[in-house]
Amino acid sequence: GAVVSQHPSWVICKSGTSVKIECRSLDFQATTMFWYRQFPKQSLMLMATSNEGSKATYEQGVEKDKFLINHASLTLSTLTVTSAHPEDSSFYICSASGQGGPNSPLHFGNGTRLTVT
Amino acid sequence: AQKITQTQPGMFVQEKEAVTLDCTYDTSDQSYGLFWYKQPSSGEMIFLIYQGSYDEQNATEGRYSLNFQKARKSANLVISASQLGDSAMYFCAMREGSGTYKYIFGTGTRLKVLA
Repeated sequence: GAVVSQHPSWVICKSGTSVKIECRSLDFQATTMFWYRQFPKQSLMLMATSNEGSKATYEQGVEKDKFLINHASLTLSTLTVTSAHPEDSSFYICSASGQGGPNSPLHFGNGTRLTVT
Repeated sequence: AQKITQTQPGMFVQEKEAVTLDCTYDTSDQSYGLFWYKQPSSGEMIFLIYQGSYDEQNATEGRYSLNFQKARKSANLVISASQLGDSAMYFCAMREGSGTYKYIFGTGTRLKVLA
């Protein structure tokens, strides 16, 4: 089955620093990846759609300069939380669409738990 | 705008019994997809089952089945013969439109299986 690897699984950083999260599709090419954010005991909120070779499309209310997304290859998308603050602490999870068309499920990474101190 | 509603924040079920998790949706699209995911405490999202808007039969995957009632716009997940390992958050999701892979998620239902 399609496997998505996300790294790191958890990270603690100091306020003001930047953190990069990687999302890789291991056995398939993902032209589109999605980045979600999940607050404790809440649902997944789509942050942005990452398209290989083009700029990401951000959802309303998501600061693109705060959450930098780069999708440089068909197997890798990165999310960089710049100048992180405690309110950025959250669970971030990426997903990728396989090549089975729009009816195929999204494949998710295992998520990254970010804690900003 | 598309919308997914899960009205049960939490559910309990006795081991080996069946349980139904509710999901209703709202969309004006004719073509859409409905998905259920399981999220254990570890955080990963595990795909369970899919139902297409044009599928006439209810989807089944092992112990999971989807009770799809198109006229009522509901897509309830039925888990048969519950196991302790089924304890998790369950999310219903809908793919928006026919030309995009964007999903919207419901608020989830936390299922606890009792021994």
